[in-house]
Amino acid sequence: GENVEQHPSTLSVQEGDSAVIKCTYSDSASNYFPWYKQELGKGPQLIIDIRSNVGEKKDQRIAVTLNKTAKHFSLHITETQPEDSAVYFCAARSGNNRLAFGKGNQVVVIP
Amino acid sequence: SAVISQKPSRDICQRGTSLTIQCQVDSQVTMMFWYRQQPGQSLTLIATANQGSEATYESGFVIDKFPISRPNLTFSTLTVSNMSPEDSSIYLCSGEANYNEQFFGPGTRLTVL
Repeated sequence: GENVEQHPSTLSVQEGDSAVIKCTYSDSASNYFPWYKQELGKGPQLIIDIRSNVGEKKDQRIAVTLNKTAKHFSLHITETQPEDSAVYFCAARSGNNRLAFGKGNQVVVIP
Repeated sequence: SAVISQKPSRDICQRGTSLTIQCQVDSQVTMMFWYRQQPGQSLTLIATANQGSEATYESGFVIDKFPISRPNLTFSTLTVSNMSPEDSSIYLCSGEANYNEQFFGPGTRLTVL
């Protein structure tokens, strides 16, 4: 099955700086890659996604890039704000139509 | 996007008892799923809730322990049966809408004493 790895596990950034989280996946048949933000005590919130026919997608301060050849995708957050502090999960959907999740990344934005 | 609600939001239960968690989606979704999340951990898929038929369980999860119902396209229940402290976790309902987008409910925080 699909195996998704996420790095780093914890990331601290100064407010206003950029944050980048990287994920790798194993199944070359995977074609859908969502990112979720989970705040303390809440369920995961879908913040952006990308499909395998696209290399980059941007939504305001958030962008996701996909490198199918290398089988990795990244989340980029620019101009970070304290409310960006959360756990971020990447995921990949493979041929069995199930999402495989990374272990999560704790992002701390320091005011 | 789909808005998903869950009841109860949290509960504290005695071992040996059972708890049923309800999940309601505000619009029709093609697929519904149940996940478990231990504190500080990632999400583990328990099963896919199939409308009008038995759920499809992932390895390590069985129907006797986690019976699931899905009587229509917008509602599902998960029961955690004969609970033990090891079942203490967050249980999340999820629905897949158009274009593969998958949304999550707020979770049910279960503590078993």
